[in-house]
Amino acid sequence: KQEVTQIPAALSVPEGENLVLNCSFTDSAIYNLQWFRQDPGKGLTSLLLIQSSQREQTSGRLNASLDKSSGRSTLYIAASQPGDSATYLCAVRNMDSNYQLIWGAGTKLIIKP
Amino acid sequence: EPEVTQTPSHQVTQMGQEVILRCVPISNHLYFYWYRQILGQKVEFLVSFYNNEISEKSEIFDDQFSVERPDGSNFTLKIRSTKLEDSAMYFCASSEGFTARYQPQHFGDGTRLSIL
Repeated sequence: KQEVTQIPAALSVPEGENLVLNCSFTDSAIYNLQWFRQDPGKGLTSLLLIQSSQREQTSGRLNASLDKSSGRSTLYIAASQPGDSATYLCAVRNMDSNYQLIWGAGTKLIIKP
Repeated sequence: EPEVTQTPSHQVTQMGQEVILRCVPISNHLYFYWYRQILGQKVEFLVSFYNNEISEKSEIFDDQFSVERPDGSNFTLKIRSTKLEDSAMYFCASSEGFTARYQPQHFGDGTRLSIL
């Protein structure tokens, strides 16, 4: 059964720093992995989708990498800003299921001004 | 940018009552989903829906739950007889139909369901 883990559960860094959020999964038979942002009491905003055949995806200051064989993905945030403060979630789509996303618990990120 | 819209944002219901959560997916999307997030827990998949049929459902999605696309724009989740443990944030999502498994899912802002 696929398990998705995100460590650390919380992270606090000063503004301007580059940072890396981690996501690991136990079953490498995935179609893709999607990173989301969740603001308190709000919905889930899709940030990046990285297919299993890809190594990286970039959007602005965000870069997601995927190492499927080792079951790991990272989300790199460059030059962090207070507006980046949110919970970041990763979710995988398994090959034994066409549709559902299996989620990590998230990393709560606080960027200190 | 097109978005998924969910109503209401917050629903308070007495235990045992029926509740209907509503969603308007992105207009050209063909796959629709419901997820829930109990406070402090992971997001969990409930059901996916395509071509007016359930395509996949989880163990959570028992006989108390049903989904419907009553017209060309709305997608609803009904809970027949609510329990205290149904209290959660419910998220609707949609994705494009073409090779859906490779497409991102786009989510609404959620409906917070509180069962008293």
